[in-house]
Amino acid sequence: EIVLTQSPGTLSLSPGERATLSCRASQSVSSSYLAWYQQKPGQAPRLLIYGASRATVIPDRFSGSGSGTDFTLTISRLEPEDFAVYYCQQYGNSPYTFGQGTKLEIK
Amino acid sequence: QVQLVQSGAEVKKPGASVKVSCKASGYPFTSYYMHWVRQAPGQGLEWMSLINPTAGSTSYAQKFQGRVTVTRDTSTSTVYMELSSLTSEDTAVYYCARSTDWRFYFDYWGQGTLVTVSS
Repeated sequence: EIVLTQSPGTLSLSPGERATLSCRASQSVSSSYLAWYQQKPGQAPRLLIYGASRATVIPDRFSGSGSGTDFTLTISRLEPEDFAVYYCQQYGNSPYTFGQGTKLEIK
Repeated sequence: QVQLVQSGAEVKKPGASVKVSCKASGYPFTSYYMHWVRQAPGQGLEWMSLINPTAGSTSYAQKFQGRVTVTRDTSTSTVYMELSSLTSEDTAVYYCARSTDWRFYFDYWGQGTLVTVSS
């Protein structure tokens, strides 16, 4: 089973700042099959990024990068609605595991 | 528009079983796989299973093997997830989520079903 470790656990930033979230895998993720999701309290997760592509209607301030075992989600300029919990997920090997999440909070 | 609508909250006693449904609409039901993902209170996301709606074939995370059964009804575009031998550790929100048939990221999610296991 591929274990995904996200860091930091909590990130405190202000609107307008740049956010960099990390996801490290315990072994190489096949074909860079890594996705990122955003989850707000009481809501289902929302797909942001799969591979190097943005999901439908996701603003271009969100971008994903990385390969092998190290992946990054970057939010170029934080908007108030971006403060949430973010999860990475690998879909290269079953079981299709998630990271433990990074909480992005307003500073 | 794509919608995944799940059944309502359930309260079960330890040892019982629960069956959650997920009704899909707005897309060709057999063209996409369906998965089940759960989230315990205040915790992260955990993938449980998938079903190929065309063939009815399934795959389960080893942790749930023997305890979870996923089925589908193509006539109603509905997927079902049954979890047996419930314990308090199964208290969670259960989500259905759609993926393509070969890349298993989840582009649409149901609203979630809270299953509470309590004596």
